[in-house]
Amino acid sequence: QIVLTQSPAIMSASLGEEITLTCSASSSVSYMHWYQQKSGTSPKLLIYSTSNLASGVPSRFSGSGSGTFYSLTISSVEAEDAADYYCHQWSSYPCTFGAGTKLELK
Amino acid sequence: EVQLVESGGGLVKPGGSLKLSCAASGFTFSSYAMSWVRQSPEKRLEWVAEISSGGSYTYYPDTVTGRFPISRDNAKNTLYLEMSSLRSEDTAMYYCARRGGSSLGYAMDYWGQGTSVTVSS
Repeated sequence: QIVLTQSPAIMSASLGEEITLTCSASSSVSYMHWYQQKSGTSPKLLIYSTSNLASGVPSRFSGSGSGTFYSLTISSVEAEDAADYYCHQWSSYPCTFGAGTKLELK
Repeated sequence: EVQLVESGGGLVKPGGSLKLSCAASGFTFSSYAMSWVRQSPEKRLEWVAEISSGGSYTYYPDTVTGRFPISRDNAKNTLYLEMSSLRSEDTAMYYCARRGGSSLGYAMDYWGQGTSVTVSS
């Protein structure tokens, strides 16, 4: 199965800062999805097919990548962005998730 | 509004069984493939099962094949997961999730609130 490695495990950011989270795949995948999970809630689709924002997602979020390397960028971090972020591939079965990056606000 | 509401979780002894349900509303349930995804206490997400829109095809990872059959009743807009031979490592929050269509790259576009399963003696 394809292993997804996310880094960093924990990201500490200041309000207004631009940050980038990464997801590396053990084999090439066609695209990557990203989910946001706030404390005590279920995961929410954030970005689909590498670079498309899900409905209602603010434009400060963006995604890019190809092959084995993908990234999620927040252009100007806001307090409400504190959450866990997971990448997810379904290019091949079984679909797999990364271990997540925890975004903390300084 | 799309809603997915899981139920059926609880505390069960190792080797025991449990049946989870997911009641869907706000969309045409029979038009979408559905999945179960679990999240361990360490917060790792793991896909557990998928079923096609009509129920004819099912898919599982090797970790649960044969133990966790997935099924659906499109007349009742309900998804099921029958869990058996439960082990301590099956302890997790279990989510049902809708698999979006091709326009969404088949991402899981809606998730339920989850139902907690604890396997312990």
